[in-house]
Amino acid sequence: SQELEQSPQSLIVQEGKNLTINCTSSKTLYGLYWYKQKYGEGLIFLMMLQKGGEEKSHEKITAKLDEKKQQSSLHITASQPSHAGIYLCGADIGGAQKLVFGQGTRLTINP
Amino acid sequence: KAGVTQTPRYLIKTRGQQVTLSCSPISGHRSVSWYQQTPGQGLQFLFEYFSETQRNKGNFPGRFSGRQFSNSRSEMNVSTLELGDSALYLCASGQGLQETQYFGPGTRLLVL
Repeated sequence: SQELEQSPQSLIVQEGKNLTINCTSSKTLYGLYWYKQKYGEGLIFLMMLQKGGEEKSHEKITAKLDEKKQQSSLHITASQPSHAGIYLCGADIGGAQKLVFGQGTRLTINP
Repeated sequence: KAGVTQTPRYLIKTRGQQVTLSCSPISGHRSVSWYQQTPGQGLQFLFEYFSETQRNKGNFPGRFSGRQFSNSRSEMNVSTLELGDSALYLCASGQGLQETQYFGPGTRLLVL
């Protein structure tokens, strides 16, 4: 089973709508990373969260890490076509420089 | 600063051959990690090097190996290629433990 569970696996939203992607772990997360990937390309770093209750925002994207450091959410406000892609959460579960990743969430933005 | 670069970007090999992939980290980064991404298994950790030493290793067979040079550049080698080795191989660099890893564009390997 996956150490990190992402939901939903696929998401289709209309341009301008808000959306949320979740990432859940059964273990404590030492560091939680959100990346975006265009198909077949490298990962683009979005945000990193380390402290329980931490919240970070960049442009229209907000990421939160819950107090227990076992769940994170990524929220996009007023979605745009440029937000389309695959969103991946990655976590440092063992405290070493070894990330495990969720299965990814494929986001499609319809005009 | 230039980002993480990987060469080659695309590669086609046949079963039984071996392949070497290269990764140049962001200037100043001493940690280099390698990942394999496939549709079925997703993104999986291969190994991580820091200052020329392998610090972490994932659950891959011994056919997968790597090394890091004094300038932090890293190479990954896969020997006796199998069809299942077809994947996108991603390299990431970082400054150290629990620091953000920045990914390169990847090398797409196709094994025929």
